[in-house]
Amino acid sequence: EVQLVESGGDLVQPGGSLRLSCAASGFTFSNYWMNWVRQTPGKGLEWVANIKQDGSEKYYVDSVRGRFTISRDNAENSLYMHMNSLRAEDTAVYYCARLGDWNYDLWGRGTLVTVSS
Amino acid sequence: DIQMTQSPSSLSASVGARVTIACRASQSISTYLNWYQQKPGKAPKLLIYAASSLQSGVPSRFSGSGSGTDFTLTISSLQPEDFATYYCQQSYNPPWTFGQGTKVEIK
Repeated sequence: EVQLVESGGDLVQPGGSLRLSCAASGFTFSNYWMNWVRQTPGKGLEWVANIKQDGSEKYYVDSVRGRFTISRDNAENSLYMHMNSLRAEDTAVYYCARLGDWNYDLWGRGTLVTVSS
Repeated sequence: DIQMTQSPSSLSASVGARVTIACRASQSISTYLNWYQQKPGKAPKLLIYAASSLQSGVPSRFSGSGSGTDFTLTISSLQPEDFATYYCQQSYNPPWTFGQGTKVEIK
């Protein structure tokens, strides 16, 4: 089955760190750009970061640049997001999403990150 | 960043009704416009890409139209499984941005 499964979400204090993971299966993971997209009740859906097939290019939304790091392991069919210096406004459901032809054609079910003291 | 504005924010409709959701971009985006459906607790699902192309496996009652700044998602005959929130998203300029969503509820 073609799917993405996220994990690693948790309750963390402001200033803390977290690593999210996304396990891909059912397709050739190394052929695709991959993304993290987050969702909050207040701001809705927001693209966070993406990474090229071989990991050589990475892009971030301004609000997380310098704090979050996206990475991938094609041998393990996995995508990661290392999140440092977490803030209350980073509280969201984080989705792993595959880049299709100018769209996100496959999404995981998400993992909840809550930043609170 | 390109702003995407959907209207209405929510609507109530009966099974069998024709439903139309509008999406407006803050600048021209050609046809780089996608529509997603999201049910509670589930991931978004791609319905329509490039403004009017139906994603594989999506029922033909869903259709999209528009170009430039104004776009429409139409459900020709609303089915019980269509009650969900719908989002538009532009892929013309990074960062790709989403509309705030339109919640379709049962009347």
